[in-house]
Amino acid sequence: GAGVSQSPSNKVTEKGKDVELRCDPISGHTALYWYRQSLGQGLEFLIYFQGNSAPDKSGLPSDRFSAERTGGSVSTLTIQRTQQEDSAVYLCASSLDRGPYGYTFGSGTRLTVV
Amino acid sequence: AQSVTQPDIHITVSEGASLELRCNYSYGATPYLFWYVQSPGQGLQLLLKYFSGDTLVQGIKGFEAEFKRSQSSFNLRKPSVHWSDAAEYFCAVAPGDQGGKLIFGQGTELSVKP
Repeated sequence: GAGVSQSPSNKVTEKGKDVELRCDPISGHTALYWYRQSLGQGLEFLIYFQGNSAPDKSGLPSDRFSAERTGGSVSTLTIQRTQQEDSAVYLCASSLDRGPYGYTFGSGTRLTVV
Repeated sequence: AQSVTQPDIHITVSEGASLELRCNYSYGATPYLFWYVQSPGQGLQLLLKYFSGDTLVQGIKGFEAEFKRSQSSFNLRKPSVHWSDAAEYFCAVAPGDQGGKLIFGQGTELSVKP
């Protein structure tokens, strides 16, 4: 696609429920990143996929968070047993390759846990 | 550990006035440096980046930034601010040995007075 597409744009969920956030990167981009932006905070790195390599999961805050990338394209970030502190905007980005050449970000998914 | 500091949480300038947003980083070698802008409800857009070479880099929307190794700084400037520049600005660093992962500052919110 022309840009990075994220869905849903907004998600309200009850505490304790599981949620899935989807990211569709730019076609041909081999690197895909997830970041979290909490209210009034900067962006916190969560996870990074590069081609067929094992993902860098070093930023995932707990084992309730997981992500996968199927077929080297679409990625899904899953949060299990959501907590109120998970409320944030989850941003996905993609880039041509593993080099830090600057990403293209999606518009994000605003997650609210009530 | 690598870090990025944006000392100013919120700045207000008058339309037509000059602007400088500060960014300091902590990293052992020369990192790759970026400035992103985020308008309300939008994803992040890359303004400019520095990899090497000329320490004064030009970006989109009339922005420029200067890399000063001695000060570990990468300040963003614009000679004349427009009302449409009101947004949040993020400085980011890509440590060269961590793929494309970016470390972001906390952001500076820019307000523009008429």
